[in-house]
Amino acid sequence: SQQGEEDPQALSIQEGENATMNCSYKTSINNLQWYRQNSGRGLVHLILIRSNEREKHSGRLRVTLDTSKKSSSLLITASRAADTASYFCAPGNTGTASKLTFGTGTRLQVTL
Amino acid sequence: ETGVTQTPRHLVMGMTNKKSLKCEQHLGHNAMYWYKQSAKKPLELMFVYSLEERVENNSVPSRFSPECPNSSHLFLHLHTLQPEDSALYLCASSQELGPPSGEQYFGPGTRLTVT
Repeated sequence: SQQGEEDPQALSIQEGENATMNCSYKTSINNLQWYRQNSGRGLVHLILIRSNEREKHSGRLRVTLDTSKKSSSLLITASRAADTASYFCAPGNTGTASKLTFGTGTRLQVTL
Repeated sequence: ETGVTQTPRHLVMGMTNKKSLKCEQHLGHNAMYWYKQSAKKPLELMFVYSLEERVENNSVPSRFSPECPNSSHLFLHLHTLQPEDSALYLCASSQELGPPSGEQYFGPGTRLTVT
């Protein structure tokens, strides 16, 4: 399986602003997932986008996928202090087991 | 309880101790995973179990010994660890093991400190 690489490594914004995180990967995928991790806790699944989808929404989250550029972005609109966390992408490869490989994530800090 | 639980949440052990981490999932899933998360490093997949059979061991040292007695429980037995083994150990489960890759549900983790 391949590892997604998140960018930027760290992002600091004020409450109410939008936050955008990017993910790049190297080989063909079946889907791509985004997860959130609060400090010292387990990861929580946010959203899954399939390779034949270009955009997906879930509440304040908007995920895009560009398979030609092998990249995805996660947009959090109207951010809140509770959105402070690390965000990880996990590319799901074609023809492999349900094994996800995570990068080092984007650390998002939302200040009041 | 719901979801994936892990015990203990915190563990401090000496290098000569033997301890075990426990993971339990209440989701009826067939696949379970152990991950290691060290500071400033990507999450490392250690072991994968499907229907109680180990299907993957990612070159993990033998001082880590997994056990999956049934599809709901997963253990990680620890012995003669090194200080560099200090990390957050995360357990996860998923419905099935197989393409396409599916959503994984994570436990809260065990923070392990080896002294």
